[in-house]
Amino acid sequence: DGGITQSPKYLFRKEGQNVTLSCEQNLNHDAMYWYRQDPGQGLRLIYYSQIVNDFQKGDIAEGYSVSREKKESFPLTVTSAQKNPTAFYLCASSGTERQPQHFGDGTRLSIL
Amino acid sequence: GQQVMQIPQYQHVQEGEDFTTYCNSSTTLSNIQWYKQRPGGHPVFLIQLVKSGEVKKQKRLTFQFGEAKKNSSLHITATQTTDVGTYFCAGPATTDSWGKLQFGAGTQVVVTP
Repeated sequence: DGGITQSPKYLFRKEGQNVTLSCEQNLNHDAMYWYRQDPGQGLRLIYYSQIVNDFQKGDIAEGYSVSREKKESFPLTVTSAQKNPTAFYLCASSGTERQPQHFGDGTRLSIL
Repeated sequence: GQQVMQIPQYQHVQEGEDFTTYCNSSTTLSNIQWYKQRPGGHPVFLIQLVKSGEVKKQKRLTFQFGEAKKNSSLHITATQTTDVGTYFCAGPATTDSWGKLQFGAGTQVVVTP
């Protein structure tokens, strides 16, 4: 099946550690996105990439980093600089930036 | 910066009733998109409106994009239990690329049988 795979589903982090969330798509989409969702709130854009080897900051990029070395992969690193990382992280992709976004099942990150 | 607001935040509906949820942006949008997120799930794309004043229907759902391209509405008729979930509107400001969506906080819909 074509789709977006996020792993792991649940992730626990100790304070001071960096963690990397995986996002893989086999839809042959050019654009990929990372969002953060907090309870009772909408999605906030962290980073997005319109093409391989290029990405732009979203509204809340501080404390996060990404890479886009392959078309199908867009990993997100939550660094120790992110002071409040506990949230639900959603990865999405679209054929082009003008097309609807398809979301993965998300990763729930918690601080131990 | 651009803000997208949705009202109401919560909507309790008796099965069979109609309701409307509203979306307002502080800036003009290139397009408006609606997504539905079931409890414990991920957002799923419903529809995209691009033209000023555009109206689109999907079975019992009617979507409208305002003339000024700053507001939108979603009207559901004869609500069913399958309509439960949170409905988000999202859109890029005309000054941003289309991929840079600003999401509203959503309307959480609860249906009483």
